Amino acid sequence: QLQLQESGPGLVKPSETLSLTCTVSGDSISRGNYYWGWIRQSPGKGLEWIASVYYNGIAYYNPSLASRVSISIDTSRNQFSLRLNSVTAADTTMYYCARHLSTYTGSYPFDHWGRGTLVTVSS
Amino acid sequence: EVVLTQSPATLSLSPGERATLSCRASQTVSTYLAWYQQKPGQPPRLLIYDASNRATGIPARFSGSGSGTDFTLTISSLEPEDFAVYYCQQRSGWPPRFTFGPGTTVDIK
Repeated sequence: QLQLQESGPGLVKPSETLSLTCTVSGDSISRGNYYWGWIRQSPGKGLEWIASVYYNGIAYYNPSLASRVSISIDTSRNQFSLRLNSVTAADTTMYYCARHLSTYTGSYPFDHWGRGTLVTVSS
Repeated sequence: EVVLTQSPATLSLSPGERATLSCRASQTVSTYLAWYQQKPGQPPRLLIYDASNRATGIPARFSGSGSGTDFTLTISSLEPEDFAVYYCQQRSGWPPRFTFGPGTTVDIK
């Protein structure tokens, strides 16, 4: 059974870099047909897609965050990671990692999600 | 950016009733639209993809329709576990971009 688990510090200081890792179990992250992505959710802004990466490292970013975001994948560890630079209080929210389909579908739906990790930006 | 609008914001219904939720896109997204259900303290759960295809394990009472800019999620007969928030999500362009709607809350009348 596929499982995704987010990990990383729950507290980050303003202007610093937020780093999160998603560990995938139950399937190989190297298998094609899927992207691996990050989504965040706040009461004020709802669900916001941040970035997605393919097993070969090709990445796609939300244009509104692209200047501050980097996503990477480590197939040897079955993990993918997110880095968000220059964080502010506005980046305080729940962060989810998720798998989404990339073949035989046009909507590229997010079919498996982690339980999420709450990140607070505060000094 | 494609903006998704969902209506109504809140739908108050009783178990056994039919729920009809709407999602409208600011520009055409073909059938590249998915629906999710979210309960408190849980991540979203995929219900429908490509406008009308049920995801694995989703009961038949959930159905989706639409194309272009107007989409509908229908729950034919509400079960107690269906009271939740529902979101739509679209994929557009290349490289792909994804946006979500603001959600519709289905609560017990």
